[in-house]
Amino acid sequence: QLQLQESGPGLVKPSETLSLTCTVSGDSISSSSYYWGWIRQPPGKGLEWIGNIYYSGSTYYNPSLKSRVTISVDTSKNQFSLRLNSVTAADTAVYFCARLPVNDAFDIWGQGTMVTVSS
Amino acid sequence: DIQMTQSPSTLSASVGDRVTITCRASQSISSWLAWYQQKPGKAPKYLIYKASSLESGVPSRFSGSGSGTEFTLTISSLQPDDFATYYCQQYNSFPYTFGQGTKLEIK
Repeated sequence: QLQLQESGPGLVKPSETLSLTCTVSGDSISSSSYYWGWIRQPPGKGLEWIGNIYYSGSTYYNPSLKSRVTISVDTSKNQFSLRLNSVTAADTAVYFCARLPVNDAFDIWGQGTMVTVSS
Repeated sequence: DIQMTQSPSTLSASVGDRVTITCRASQSISSWLAWYQQKPGKAPKYLIYKASSLESGVPSRFSGSGSGTEFTLTISSLQPDDFATYYCQQYNSFPYTFGQGTKLEIK
């Protein structure tokens, strides 16, 4: 059974870099049938798509975050990662990783991890 | 960006009711629309894809319809487990965008 698990610091200081990793278990991240994505949700608010990555390394980012975000994949570890630099309080949110079948939406999600930006 | 607008924002209903949530896109997205259910403190759950296809394991009381710019999610007979927040999402083009959510409350 496929599972995704986010990990990383729960507290990041303003202007620093937020780094999260999503570990995929139960299937290979190198499957040609799927993309892998990040979505976030500020407390009490709606969902915001951050970006997607294919196992080959091809990426697609939300233009609203593109200048600050990098998504990468490590097929040897069956993981993909998110880096968001120059964070502010507005980046405080629950961050989810998820799987996207090609030409489909987010069908399997991680449980999410809360990241707070504060000094 | 394609804007997704859900209505209503909050819906009060009783167990056994039939309810409908509407999602409108600011431009045509064909049938590239998904619906999710989210409960407090949990990840969204995938319910419907391609506007009307039911994800495996999702109860048949959930159904989706629409194409182009107007879509609906219908729950035919509300069960206690259905009280949650529902989101639509377009995946016709980048950036993917979500509706603001509809909170389904117990009347």
